[in-house]
Amino acid sequence: EPEVTQTPSHQVTQMGQEVILRCVPISNHLYFYWYRQILGQKVEFLVSFYNNEISEKSEIFDDQFSVERPDGSNFTLKIRSTKLEDSAMYFCASSGYRSPKLSGANVLTFGAGSRLTVL
Amino acid sequence: DQQVKQNSPSLSVQEGRISILNCDYTNSMFDYFLWYKKYPAEGPTFLISISSIKDKNEDGRFTVFLNKSAKHLSLHIVPSQPGDSAVYFCAASGDGANSKLTFGKGITLSVRP
Repeated sequence: EPEVTQTPSHQVTQMGQEVILRCVPISNHLYFYWYRQILGQKVEFLVSFYNNEISEKSEIFDDQFSVERPDGSNFTLKIRSTKLEDSAMYFCASSGYRSPKLSGANVLTFGAGSRLTVL
Repeated sequence: DQQVKQNSPSLSVQEGRISILNCDYTNSMFDYFLWYKKYPAEGPTFLISISSIKDKNEDGRFTVFLNKSAKHLSLHIVPSQPGDSAVYFCAASGDGANSKLTFGKGITLSVRP
């Protein structure tokens, strides 16, 4: 079964440092997403990406965040200067063709996540 | 701004019995509702979805019911199995090709052998 792969699984960084989280989406998918889950809270949308540009972003996704698809297989999330409150699990997801069997919903396939700890 | 609410944080059920997980939403513009299951150290995994024009969708042991007038949906698992023990997220989206999902906080289901 195709899967979304994320690296690293866990990263510890000092406040103010830059962090890059990497994702390899499912190869024939067209739409890419980043979500995050702060411990004990809900999974929150950060950004969606299609055709090499951002489709939508949340208010969380400020100027400290950026996304890139540098080579056609990787999809990265960069946090320029990390803050304590950026500590969370970051999930990458991708989606593609919407099967009528799945009622037409946009079904996202998620990776296992990258845990970011900012000290 | 909680557009999708899962008000019960946990549910414990005996193996073989029915599990009913509830979800409420506030945005009447949502077109699709999805349930995801999450095990520790893994990402959310898609379980089942329903269009806003339907009131029921069934897939094996899993059935989702939608009550649009009450802005309420529920996931029924029958019969429940110990392997169903996980966190279940309710999510909602619009109709666009790359519509984002808006998630609830999740419900931790424990199925006792």
